[in-house]
Amino acid sequence: SAVISQKPSRDICQRGTSLTIQCQVDSQVTMMFWYRQQPGQSLTLIATANQGSEATYESGFVIDKFPISRPNLTFSTLTVSNMSPEDSSIYLCSVGLIDGYTFGSGTRLTVV
Amino acid sequence: GESVGLHLPTLSVQEGDNSIINCAYSNSASDYFIWYKQESGKGPQFIIDIRSNMDKRQGQRVTVLLNKTVKHLSLQIAATQPGDSAVYFCAEIGGANSKLTFGKGITLSVRP
Repeated sequence: SAVISQKPSRDICQRGTSLTIQCQVDSQVTMMFWYRQQPGQSLTLIATANQGSEATYESGFVIDKFPISRPNLTFSTLTVSNMSPEDSSIYLCSVGLIDGYTFGSGTRLTVV
Repeated sequence: GESVGLHLPTLSVQEGDNSIINCAYSNSASDYFIWYKQESGKGPQFIIDIRSNMDKRQGQRVTVLLNKTVKHLSLQIAATQPGDSAVYFCAEIGGANSKLTFGKGITLSVRP
């Protein structure tokens, strides 16, 4: 299965600022996914990022708040913009391959 | 909308006993199901999967059962060990939709 490196692993940010999270995969993948996991809760899909096209956002998530880049088949970034304490969560990237869906270890974001 | 849910939020078992974690899903078009284990500070880790054309699949110490009639999925862990303590999620993919939908999660606590 794919190996995913996600950076940073954690950060504490001031409200009103933005944070960009990076996701690097050790193999080329068509589809990459970004999830949010709020404290004590399950994972919720934010968007699907395909190389060469705009990301597809799920209901409740918008591009202005969570802009995504997908410059090539092994890399993606998610930006959490104009952060508020409600954005404090774990953000995870995931890839889907023929042998299943693999997740990065996540970025634990705390907004103060 | 469609959802995947779990019956119990927490489960405490004695070391060496068998654990059974249950999950109900509502999307009758779902054709692929996955169980994930998430340890503290880590991303979800694949445990076992099953396709809708099967009703049982076994791995090492784990078995997944699928009952499509009642839309029920279960994960059985044999001889539960302290290292099995984690949060467990069921997830499903429906039809042509390649997106994973996660259940609420259940915490498994193993008593020594």
